[in-house]
Amino acid sequence: DMKVTQMPRYLIKRMGENVLLECGQDMSHETMYWYRQDPGLGLQLIYISYDVDSNSEGDIPKGYRVSRKKREHFSLILDSAKTNQTSVYFCASRRNNNQAPLFGEGTRLSVL
Amino acid sequence: GDSVTQTEGLVTLTEGLPVMLNCTYQSTYSPFLFWYVQHLNEAPKLLLKSFTDNKRPEHQGFHATLHKSSSSFHLQKSSAQLSDSALYYCALSDRTGGYKVVFGSGTRLLVSP
Repeated sequence: DMKVTQMPRYLIKRMGENVLLECGQDMSHETMYWYRQDPGLGLQLIYISYDVDSNSEGDIPKGYRVSRKKREHFSLILDSAKTNQTSVYFCASRRNNNQAPLFGEGTRLSVL
Repeated sequence: GDSVTQTEGLVTLTEGLPVMLNCTYQSTYSPFLFWYVQHLNEAPKLLLKSFTDNKRPEHQGFHATLHKSSSSFHLQKSSAQLSDSALYYCALSDRTGGYKVVFGSGTRLLVSP
């Protein structure tokens, strides 16, 4: 079953705490993405991963880093979370550039 | 760089009326264009994708035509249904092999009885 799985689905953290968002896919897709979604701003690209240990900044990478040690797994890390990082985070993956990315169900993060 | 513009933040319609959501884009090369639909508290899901030829993609009664001359990929449906109420995103992917997928800011469609 083609699926992108995100964990956790909901997360509440205090300002200054570290945050780990995890994403997995079972399709052996090379390319994976992290987006954040905010009202009126749409889906903004944080990071792209082309394959294991091959990552590139997206449009809004500040305050985030990523890790991809296995093709099927892509993590988003917030070191010392800030209140303005409260958002819904989506992971997506695709096999090649003429395919549309397949999205996970999202993680709703609140930083208090 | 590549960009996608959706001019309407909110579109409100009465059930049965036609739907048209606007999407224009800027890209150095002829990109692939997509429409996604997102219902409340769900993931964005692919609705339509542009073809390499002139075929018009259709799904769930929605269709979109890629007009390269005007750089547009507007989403249309002849008759809106209550279940069409959702957030719609237009997106583009560079055809040359680039990995980036750029999304517009989204249009919320509200269909009332």
